[in-house]
Amino acid sequence: KQEVTQIPAALSVPEGENLVLNCSFTDSAIYNLQWFRQDPGKGLTSLLLIQSSQREQTSGRLNASLDKSSGRSTLYIAASQPGDSATYLCAVKGTYKYIFGTGTRLKVLA
Amino acid sequence: NAGVTQTPKFQVLKTGQSMTLQCAQDMNHEYMSWYRQDPGMGLRLIHYSVGAGITDQGEVPNGYNVSRSTTEDFPLRLLSAAPSQTSVYFCASSLSPGGEETQYFGPGTRLLVL
Repeated sequence: KQEVTQIPAALSVPEGENLVLNCSFTDSAIYNLQWFRQDPGKGLTSLLLIQSSQREQTSGRLNASLDKSSGRSTLYIAASQPGDSATYLCAVKGTYKYIFGTGTRLKVLA
Repeated sequence: NAGVTQTPKFQVLKTGQSMTLQCAQDMNHEYMSWYRQDPGMGLRLIHYSVGAGITDQGEVPNGYNVSRSTTEDFPLRLLSAAPSQTSVYFCASSLSPGGEETQYFGPGTRLLVL
């Protein structure tokens, strides 16, 4: 059974820092891995999607990597800003089913 | 496009009552799914559909029914609400079940069962 873990559960950093969020999964047989952002009381917004054949994806200050063999993905946020404060969730896709991690709650201090 | 819409935004039920959470998308997406989100547990898949007329169970299907009579709509029915079903419910869709496309989420329905 696929299990997805995100460490740390919460993170507080000063503005301007570069940071890394971690996602690990137990079954490497995935179709893709997706990173989402969730603001309090809101739905999920997709940030980056990495296909199983890819190693990384970049969008602006965000870079996500995928290492299927080790069951790991990282989300790198460069030059963090207070507006980046949110919960970040990763999800892996098996056959028709997405399994989510419990998220990392990020707070960027001004 | 309105994207993925959900109604109602908030609902209070008494134990034993039934209700339907509505979900609609206007992007002609084949794949639709329902999740519940509970504190400390992330999102868990309840049911999903790979196309009109085809549905299947996710991780936590007990107490919920779904149907998919059209491509656009994917309602979630609670037959007899229980306090354990207090949660935030999200509907999501993607273009195909194949795995290459982004999932789009609705804004959620907050359900409180007393």
